[in-house]
Amino acid sequence: KNQVEQSPQSLIILEGKNCTLQCNYTVSPFSNLRWYKQDTGRGPVSLTIMTFSENTKSNGRYTATLDADTKQSSLHITASQLSDSASYICVVSANPPEYGNKLVFGAGTILRVKS
Amino acid sequence: NAGVMQNPRHLVRRRGQEARLRCSPMKGHSHVYWYRQLPEEGLKFMVYLQKENIIDESGMPKERFSAEFPKEGPSILRIQQVVRGDSAAYFCASSPLSAANTGELFFGEGSRLTVL
Repeated sequence: KNQVEQSPQSLIILEGKNCTLQCNYTVSPFSNLRWYKQDTGRGPVSLTIMTFSENTKSNGRYTATLDADTKQSSLHITASQLSDSASYICVVSANPPEYGNKLVFGAGTILRVKS
Repeated sequence: NAGVMQNPRHLVRRRGQEARLRCSPMKGHSHVYWYRQLPEEGLKFMVYLQKENIIDESGMPKERFSAEFPKEGPSILRIQQVVRGDSAAYFCASSPLSAANTGELFFGEGSRLTVL
């Protein structure tokens, strides 16, 4: 069964600190993995999309890693800011398309940054 | 460029009424996806549509729920005879390509349905 598991479920850190969010998946065959940020009451916004051949991808203070062998991804946030408080969602896509165009969503990690 | 537009943002219905949620994709996007999000839970796929066609509705309940994406106008998610369990946030996303083929998904701000 295609699944995406995220950890921790929630996290509280102090402003300025770094943190790492984890994503493990069993989706196969793999096409790509995405990280989204969802502010409370808003729609998700894409942070990164990674394909099989990509190990690391950065977007400002966000750095995503992907290990396709162990089926794990991480999202590292550097020098956290209050505005980083949000839910971070890992989404994995299966390939080829006849497996369905459904993307498999993780339940998200709720990050709260405190001053 | 306008993003994905959803309306209404908030909708209150009594049990047994109908709810209609609208989604206008980004300009040039012909793929639309609907997702449901319950409080404290992840997004759950409901239906995937292209213009005038339902491609995949495997995530949508077979009764009371329907979706369309006409040649002209927005995509509509329709829920008939709503029940309290339908209370959720419904998100629409659009893509210029099939999202599974690395086409990036752009989400709307969601429509929050409350059933009294």
